[in-house]
This record gives sequence, structure tokens and C-alpha cells, in this order.
Amino acid sequence: DTAVSQTPKYLVTQMGNDKSIKCEQNLGHDTMYWYKQDSKKFLKIMFSYNNKELIINETVPNRFSPKSPDKAHLNLHINSLELGDSAVYFCASSQVAQGEQFFGPGTRLTVL
Amino acid sequence: GQSLEQPSEVTAVEGAIVQMNCTYQTSGFYGLSWYQQHDGGAPTFLSYNALDGLEETGRFSSFLSRSDSYGYLLLQELQMKDSASYFCAVRDPWTGGGNKLTFGTGTQLKVEL
Repeated sequence: DTAVSQTPKYLVTQMGNDKSIKCEQNLGHDTMYWYKQDSKKFLKIMFSYNNKELIINETVPNRFSPKSPDKAHLNLHINSLELGDSAVYFCASSQVAQGEQFFGPGTRLTVL
Repeated sequence: GQSLEQPSEVTAVEGAIVQMNCTYQTSGFYGLSWYQQHDGGAPTFLSYNALDGLEETGRFSSFLSRSDSYGYLLLQELQMKDSASYFCAVRDPWTGGGNKLTFGTGTQLKVEL
């Protein structure tokens, strides 16, 4: 059984397009996250939701908009994609305030 | 803010013991986590230290000294499959109800025959 799943795994698109990444967890966790990992493998938190409420909103361009329809799902929509958005985006989940987070397989976004 | 430093690369021989260090500067601290990431894979949780001392899980041990703002991950009986990136991460008590993890830059471990 997949714990944290993301779709799609690969996303190749042109500059200026809008795209979405979906995430689902079946662990019963109440907190979900979006991370961005750049080409140097630096992993940085973007957003976090706890029971559908936004609790972490880092300095991210407002072209990025997360949405949590329920506590098992967290989506990320990106408008007007730029070359610098190319990265691997990871979804993760955890029980509230725990040091252990469970990561999805990642979505490799390439903007041409 | 939070900043974490890790050596960029470590090379060791199969069967040996390797220690990967992490020093941090934080405005608040709940605990230190360690994650492993193979190339093309997702980060996977290894260990978490909230208090000073050593935590052991099989071949992996993690140590924390809060007074020195320092921790390390120790891998024993190295295997080729241990070749991966290892990240330390600090849990921030002031952001997101203690849910925010700030990751270090990672150490690339290469295990050789």
C-alpha cells in the first residue's frame, strides 16, 4: 500500500503554462507539506496544512497556490511557470509536530 | 532563522564506520532529525533526537549535543546500498505549531569496495 502518493511523477511543460501536482496520503496523518528540491539537492519547505488549515507559508511566489480539500489530500497549482521553477517537488505528511515526516516519490518538473 | 551545516561529501570503504556531522544555528530548537535520500528517490526518515545523547537503530546511530548545537549520524558496517545523501533537519518550535523542518545542505556518502 502506498503511503504518500503524488501525480504526475514527471511533468515537462513550456514557460508560461499552468500546471497542478496532486498528493494523497493514506496514513491518517493530519499535517501535509510541499517541499521543493533544487538541482543542488537543497530541500526547502514551501507550505504546510494541518486539518485543511494553512499553517506554514514560506516566501514563495504567489504563482504557487496550495489547496487542501481534506486532510488526506494536498494539491499544488503553479501559474505562469518559469524556468526557475524546474525542480523536484515532494509532498510529505506527518502527525502533528513530529520529527518524522513521510515523503512521496516526488514530481520532477521541467520547464522549457 | 535556522541554518545547518553539513560536509558536502564523505567517502568510506565497505564494512567501515562513518560519522556525518551537522552543526546548526537556530532561534529555537525542538529536535534534530536525519533523513536518507538515494539518487532519484524520496527522503526517508532515519532517526530523531530531542534530548542529548545517542539513539541507536540497528546499524544507524544518531547523537545530539544541544549545548554545542551539534549532532552526528553514525553508520556501522557500511554497505554499498548506504551510498546516498544524508540530511539533518531541525524542527522549529516557532513556526507552524512546531511542524516546520529546516533541512541542512546534505552529505553525499560514497561507499567504495
